[in-house]
Amino acid sequence: DQQVKQNSPSLSVQEGRISILNCDYTNSMFDYFLWYKKYPAEGPTFLISISSIKDKNEDGRFTVFLNKSAKHLSLHIVPSQPGDSAVYFCAASAISDYKLSFGAGTTVTVRA
Amino acid sequence: DTGVSQDPRHKITKRGQNVTFRCDPISEHNRLYWYRQTLGQGPEFLTYFQNEAQLEKSRLLSDRFSAERPKGSFSTLEIQRTEQGDSAMYLCAIPGGDSYNEQFFGPGTRLTVL
Repeated sequence: DQQVKQNSPSLSVQEGRISILNCDYTNSMFDYFLWYKKYPAEGPTFLISISSIKDKNEDGRFTVFLNKSAKHLSLHIVPSQPGDSAVYFCAASAISDYKLSFGAGTTVTVRA
Repeated sequence: DTGVSQDPRHKITKRGQNVTFRCDPISEHNRLYWYRQTLGQGPEFLTYFQNEAQLEKSRLLSDRFSAERPKGSFSTLEIQRTEQGDSAMYLCAIPGGDSYNEQFFGPGTRLTVL
């Protein structure tokens, strides 16, 4: 059962514009949420995270928003840069074991 | 540099052969996680260790899979009698800092079973 879902397999955005990636989850026990970026043939790279007690976390160009009632989170990248072209994974964990459950990923392409 | 190295980076083997992968965290941490990623999917949890103890195994981990962390530092993952369905990227991760919340991944081992 897929507990974390990324329903958009791909996103194309123009350089300088905002990229918005969405993620939904079903497990109410999740209390920590993360975004990872992945290039081909490499391991996922941690980007940004948010605890369930917060609704927003910002780090430079990256902002993550959490809507617990809707079981939904999003990642905003502003402004988008060509180097942001990669696969982005949403992940979630529970305090019981901290193992990560991942979505299927969204491929972001930033056009010049 | 994520602080985790994995060896080998690539492995090509024939169906039925045994393979072993190694994960070496550069910094010590009492937790270590293994994940597997197949094409078009996100990483899936396989197993994790607290020091030397293997605390949980996913149902994805059949009897052909075994993992160890003998001294609570490096870890090995062995697959016996490989099948074509085992072809995937095998990823190792350790938490960062004092928190278990954020995990940092190694570069992975890409396994291809012919």
